Amino acid sequence: AQSVSQHNHHVILSEAASLELGCNYSYGGTVNLFWYVQYPGQHLQLLLKYFSGDPLVKGIKGFEAEFIKSKFSFNLRKPSVQWSDTAEYFCAVRPNTGTASKLTFGTGTRLQVTL
Amino acid sequence: EPEVTQTPSHQVTQMGQEVILRCVPISNHLYFYWYRQILGQKVEFLVSFYNNEISEKSEIFDDQFSVERPDGSNFTLKIRSTKLEDSAMYFCASNMGAYEQYFGPGTRLTVT
Repeated sequence: AQSVSQHNHHVILSEAASLELGCNYSYGGTVNLFWYVQYPGQHLQLLLKYFSGDPLVKGIKGFEAEFIKSKFSFNLRKPSVQWSDTAEYFCAVRPNTGTASKLTFGTGTRLQVTL
Repeated sequence: EPEVTQTPSHQVTQMGQEVILRCVPISNHLYFYWYRQILGQKVEFLVSFYNNEISEKSEIFDDQFSVERPDGSNFTLKIRSTKLEDSAMYFCASNMGAYEQYFGPGTRLTVT
């Protein structure tokens, strides 16, 4: 069974600081990888996804993530965070079976951006 | 942009009571899911549903839980006899299969 680890539980940054959130997964086969964001009081929204191809994927709101297969990692980055990026960020993985399958989530990272 | 909707947004119930959580997936989606998030914990998969039957379920999804697609638009999660530990945020999601899942806003279930 697959699993996901997010090592940073709570990150506090000043506006304009750079962000990197770690995500490592465990699974023996090929995977699809996702980052979801949950703003306070809102539902989970997809930030970006990796299915195949270029391991550097760009998402919404200036976020990007890099899939490093050898490290089983899919870290999320943003060069300059804004106060509005304050939210909880979840990494998720599912087996790349070509059909629908469940997502396995990490425990989430709470990002707090201060002015 | 189409979105997944869920009702109610907050449900308070007494232990032992039955609850039904409702979801309206995106209209052309074929696969439907329920997840839950206990406060302070990660989002956990409960069940997936396709072609009017359960395609996968987790260990959490025991006999107290059931899902149904009673008509062409709704997808429901029923908990027959709620326990305190069922208190959580329940998220519905849908997709076209091998694509990303779209999540609803969630129903906060509080069991007292």
